[in-house]
Amino acid sequence: NAGVTQTPKFRVLKTGQSMTLLCAQDMNHEYMYWYRQDPGMGLRLIHYSVGEGTTAKGEVPDGYNVSRLKKQNFLLGLESAAPSQTSVYFCASRQTRTSGSMDEQFFGPGTRLTVL
Amino acid sequence: AQKITQTQPGMFVQEKEAVTLDCTYDTSDPSYGLFWYKQPSSGEMIFLIYQGSYDQQNATEGRYSLNFQKARKSANLVISASQLGDSAMYFCAMRGVYFGNEKLTFGTGTRLTIIP
Repeated sequence: NAGVTQTPKFRVLKTGQSMTLLCAQDMNHEYMYWYRQDPGMGLRLIHYSVGEGTTAKGEVPDGYNVSRLKKQNFLLGLESAAPSQTSVYFCASRQTRTSGSMDEQFFGPGTRLTVL
Repeated sequence: AQKITQTQPGMFVQEKEAVTLDCTYDTSDPSYGLFWYKQPSSGEMIFLIYQGSYDQQNATEGRYSLNFQKARKSANLVISASQLGDSAMYFCAMRGVYFGNEKLTFGTGTRLTIIP
């Protein structure tokens, strides 16, 4: 099992350009998440999905869109990149079995994005 | 709303000593889970330990233990016999347990440096 993979690992964009980050998981997990990590601020949730075809906003959703057309993939899009979106982006997934159970969240290796 | 507070931005500890990383939380959820993650300089997020709010005993995983004090809303991570490989960022996080509260909220992290 590859676990959670992210493509690309690094990217440099110019202001106004668009791009899509791909997250893929092979664990048949229902839930998937996109976070951004900035120095001194920990990880903040951008968007998440509780199943195929669903998406929901997290803590910092502005400037991003997401899609979950297939259960194993969760795409994060930047339509018009801004320097404030320079960050490290992490994808994560988890399975949920029953209410009240602990489900470990598995993280991808991260994507380092720089917007000039 | 959930909030995690880690008040120690950085810590220096002598090798082989025990270290306690502080974490306090705030939530209105009656049931929740608390997590600790390690992020080495390579960037990946590594799950360390989990504590459920209704667990009777404090969680332990090898050299890691969680000092859970529910009344004080604290969930400190204790690392016994620290090793050079323990040098990393450590994040405390929490999540509501029941369906409808799917977001993992992170603290800002503590950078631990082990001194040989």
